Amino acid sequence: AQSVTQLDSHVSVSEGTPVLLRCNYSSSYSPSLFWYVQHPNKGLQLLLKYTSAATLVKGINGFEAEFKKSETSFHLTKPSAHMSDAAEYFCVVSAQAAGNKLTFGGGTRVLVKP
Amino acid sequence: DGGITQSPKYLFRKEGQNVTLSCEQNLNHDAMYWYRQDPGQGLRLIYYSQIVNDFQKGDIAEGYSVSREKKESFPLTVTSAQKNPTAFYLCASSIQQAGEAFFGQGTRLTVV
Repeated sequence: AQSVTQLDSHVSVSEGTPVLLRCNYSSSYSPSLFWYVQHPNKGLQLLLKYTSAATLVKGINGFEAEFKKSETSFHLTKPSAHMSDAAEYFCVVSAQAAGNKLTFGGGTRVLVKP
Repeated sequence: DGGITQSPKYLFRKEGQNVTLSCEQNLNHDAMYWYRQDPGQGLRLIYYSQIVNDFQKGDIAEGYSVSREKKESFPLTVTSAQKNPTAFYLCASSIQQAGEAFFGQGTRLTVV
């Protein structure tokens, strides 16, 4: 079994300040973890993925995430928020042993203030 | 360009009518998925298919049906048995082993 908890449903930051989106997961397998971004009325775009290689993963648009097995966490960060980062973000867990079924967190909506 | 195409982008139907949402991919992916998205509820899995002519129910399959006759296509039918069909529907595909999914742009279905 696998599950994902995104600890904040909404995050508000000022432009130019750091962004932190928190994600905790549970999996009976060796998981792959992903962060996706969704802009209004659009599909989901992959930001980055962890698949058992380096624990610090760099993605697109300046985002990065660190896999911490001991804490079962996969938090997403960005040093300096941009107005275009306003969107909804999803943390996702998958495992080959689970048929690569994707399990989504509830999402975190990010608001960027000028 | 390779990708996933969902059509139509917006769809309106009368209550009690069946409606079929199209999903086509030219990425040569084996696995395809249908998700439903409601405000504040994230994405919920309706059906998924790991190979042609085979598919499995997801977490909220009641009132929906699918087929997978071709690798490229995974249409979703929303039947009259679905009690609350108004939602945003997302189709995705993935290479089996990698697990990373690619998403279409979605279809917003409104039942009136």
